[in-house]
Amino acid sequence: DGGITQSPKYLFRKEGQNVTLSCEQNLNHDAMYWYRQDPGQGLRLIYYSQIVNDFQKGDIAEGYSVSREKKESFPLTVTSAQKNPTAFYLCASSIVGRLRFSGANVLTFGAGSRLTVL
Amino acid sequence: GDSVTQMEGPVTLSEEAFLTINCTYTATGYPSLFWYVQYPGEGLQLLLKATKADDKGSNKGFEATYRKETTSFHLEKGSVQVSDSAVYFCALSSQHLIQGAQKLVFGQGTRLTINP
Repeated sequence: DGGITQSPKYLFRKEGQNVTLSCEQNLNHDAMYWYRQDPGQGLRLIYYSQIVNDFQKGDIAEGYSVSREKKESFPLTVTSAQKNPTAFYLCASSIVGRLRFSGANVLTFGAGSRLTVL
Repeated sequence: GDSVTQMEGPVTLSEEAFLTINCTYTATGYPSLFWYVQYPGEGLQLLLKATKADDKGSNKGFEATYRKETTSFHLEKGSVQVSDSAVYFCALSSQHLIQGAQKLVFGQGTRLTINP
């Protein structure tokens, strides 16, 4: 079955360490996204990518970095510069459509990775 | 900028009760509107969507109607079940992004608990 796989599901990090969260999709989607979820705040967009070797900052990109070397993969690195990294991180993907009603704007989400800074 | 405001939770109901979760939005143009559901420990799943004014999205007994005049997309279900317990997110996708990646804007989520 097609879907999005995020790993690890749970991750603990000491302050000052960088950590990388993996996101892999086999849906043949061009676009991929990273969201951060905090209690009572909904989801906020960190980075997104429309095509291989290209990505754009979202609303809260500071302290994070991404790469998009392959269509299937969009790893997120949480750097030591991120002041409050403890959160639930969600990866998503979508097709890139040309028509408003094409269904391109439906995102498929992974199961998430919970990062805790000790 | 675009924004989504949801009814604050948590919401607790008894099984077979009627459910309404309010959602209003602010956006330029004509966004597409969505409800996503998140079950415990999982990612988000699309529940339903509507892409233009007066459209009604429906799935699994849930419904929501895109009301442009009141900028609302309230989620309703006539008879809830224990298995509906989850967090529900209202979201919009800006209309001007007619191609390319879709940057969804989410509400803060409403936690729903259904008691037997």
